[in-house]
Amino acid sequence: NAGVTQTPKFQVLKTGQSMTLQCAQDMNHEYMSWYRQDPGMGLRLIHYSVGAGITDQGEVPNGYNVSRSTTEDFPLRLLSAAPSQTSVYFCASNDPGSGNSPLHFGNGTRLTVT
Amino acid sequence: GEDVEQSLFLSVREGDSSVINCTYTDSSSTYLYWYKQEPGAGLQLLTYIFSNMDMKQDQRLTVLLNKKDKHLSLRIADTQTGDSAIYFCAEIPTSGTYKYIFGTGTRLKVLA
Repeated sequence: NAGVTQTPKFQVLKTGQSMTLQCAQDMNHEYMSWYRQDPGMGLRLIHYSVGAGITDQGEVPNGYNVSRSTTEDFPLRLLSAAPSQTSVYFCASNDPGSGNSPLHFGNGTRLTVT
Repeated sequence: GEDVEQSLFLSVREGDSSVINCTYTDSSSTYLYWYKQEPGAGLQLLTYIFSNMDMKQDQRLTVLLNKKDKHLSLRIADTQTGDSAIYFCAEIPTSGTYKYIFGTGTRLKVLA
């Protein structure tokens, strides 16, 4: 049982490049979400999904796209990278059907945009 | 707006107690959580408290909830160097959405 797996762990991009951050979970959780972590700002929600085929915007969605074709996978796409997207990105999943529903996090992707 | 507030830094000596404070926004939040983030890792659930409780104890951890003041605290007894990490409180302010709101995180440094 691997939990939430994110790849890559580190990435350096040039301004304007695109890339996809991968996220997979093996806990059959319905809910998945992407956060970015910046110093002094905690975690901010980028996009989330309540099930396969359903996605919605979070607090800071601009510059990012997501899709949810399967329950297991929730990739995050940067369309045209900007230095403001330099951050640490975390994917998380949880199971709303269990009442108390804590998030399970991946280990993060550290992205630098030059 | 929706802000969950925490102080940014806390430094304690090994063996002392640590108290990390959090002020949250929504009195209707059902569960309030504490997460721990060690260097280079994701967040891990440390403990949580249901909103109808005032206190929860789990080994060295004590969570206190003051709903009137919307104040949550985490006390770590006999703090060890392995407790050095960033601690985040989190709430779900809108019932049923599971859209967590996280605090800014408190970086705990334990001095040997």
